[in-house]
Amino acid sequence: DQQVKQNSPSLSVQEGRISILNCDYTNSMFDYFLWYKKYPAEGPTFLISISSIKDKNEDGRFTVFLNKSAKHLSLHIVPSQPGDSAVYFCAASLGPGDKLIFGTGTRLQVFP
Amino acid sequence: GAGVSQSPRYKVAKRGQDVALRCDPISGHVSLFWYQQALGQGPEFLTYFQNEAQLDKSGLPSDRFFAERPEGSVSTLKIQRTQQEDSAVYLCASSLDQVEAFFGQGTRLTVV
Repeated sequence: DQQVKQNSPSLSVQEGRISILNCDYTNSMFDYFLWYKKYPAEGPTFLISISSIKDKNEDGRFTVFLNKSAKHLSLHIVPSQPGDSAVYFCAASLGPGDKLIFGTGTRLQVFP
Repeated sequence: GAGVSQSPRYKVAKRGQDVALRCDPISGHVSLFWYQQALGQGPEFLTYFQNEAQLDKSGLPSDRFFAERPEGSVSTLKIQRTQQEDSAVYLCASSLDQVEAFFGQGTRLTVV
């Protein structure tokens, strides 16, 4: 039973445009959500997080939106850059510092 | 180094062989996690330490898997009598309390 789902295995976006990566979850007890970025042969790198008490968190080109009623979160990257090409994992936990439940990832390709 | 260090980076084991995977967390990080990432999947939680105490081992798939962190720093994940289904990337992550986890590069285990 997949508690965190990323239904799009891949996404291709032109440089300079917006990338939108989506994530759905089923466990209403999740309280903290994170996005990690992963390059080949490297471990996941933390990108941005959001607590369930917020609906938006922004850090430079990256914004995460949380819709608790829909159990949905999204990551917006604008403008997208070729260096953003990687696999993006959505993760959820019962609280900050708790074990993470990951989605299956979305491979983002940003082309010139 | 400043990051989480894992060794070896790659390990090939014959079926039935025992293996030991090492994790050096970031100095001072209290929390340490082990995750297993199968091909095409997101990381899945195995076990969690707070200092030397193993507080959660609910994700260990069988009694062939054993983890320890005797002095609250370096951790070792041991897999006995390896099977082909154990082939995966094993990721270690560490964190200060209540903040995001930092991942190592992982150990890719191939059981032949």
